[in-house]
Amino acid sequence: GAGVSQSPSNKVTEKGKDVELRCDPISGHTALYWYRQSLGQGLEFLIYFQGNSAPDKSGLPSDRFSAERTGGSVSTLTIQRTQQEDSAVYLCASSLEVSYNEQFFGPGTRLTVL
Amino acid sequence: KQEVTQIPAALSVPEGENLVLNCSFTDSAIYNLQWFRQDPGKGLTSLLLIQSSQREQTSGRLNASLDKSSGRSTLYIAASQPGDSATYLCAVRNSGNTPLVFGKGTRLSVIA
Repeated sequence: GAGVSQSPSNKVTEKGKDVELRCDPISGHTALYWYRQSLGQGLEFLIYFQGNSAPDKSGLPSDRFSAERTGGSVSTLTIQRTQQEDSAVYLCASSLEVSYNEQFFGPGTRLTVL
Repeated sequence: KQEVTQIPAALSVPEGENLVLNCSFTDSAIYNLQWFRQDPGKGLTSLLLIQSSQREQTSGRLNASLDKSSGRSTLYIAASQPGDSATYLCAVRNSGNTPLVFGKGTRLSVIA
């Protein structure tokens, strides 16, 4: 594809519900990253994938957060039992490989938990 | 733990002015440094990537420099235009398989 795409662009949910956020990386990119951007907090790293494996899950804020990647392409970030503090913009990025290369970002999913 | 700071947090300049955005990082043993632009409600657009062995990179009216030993990078924007108005983010990587660590950005407004 032309760039990284994410869906949905906006998601409003009620506290306690589960949500799934999707990322489609640039075709051929083996590395995929999830970040979260909260108001006043800046961008924080959540998890990255090299192929289908996730060597570094250190940024996931709690066990309510999980992510998977299948076929070395699409990734899904799942948040269970959402809380109001989960409200943020979730950004996905991909790069040709983990080392060296520039990361290219998608437009993000704005999650609002009421 | 790597920390990235960007100063100023916000900047307003008249059109045509040259300007410098600053980025500092606490751990100088970086792998690379990347400058991004973010427009309101949008994702990040990569502007320039500087490898640790490089001193600067240029793209059009943008020039980014890197001084690893002092833990600093600057983004120079020449002849600023209203279309340059955005938030500019600096991010560093400590090694090839570590994630980017971001600053909180500088919000730039260029007034026509």
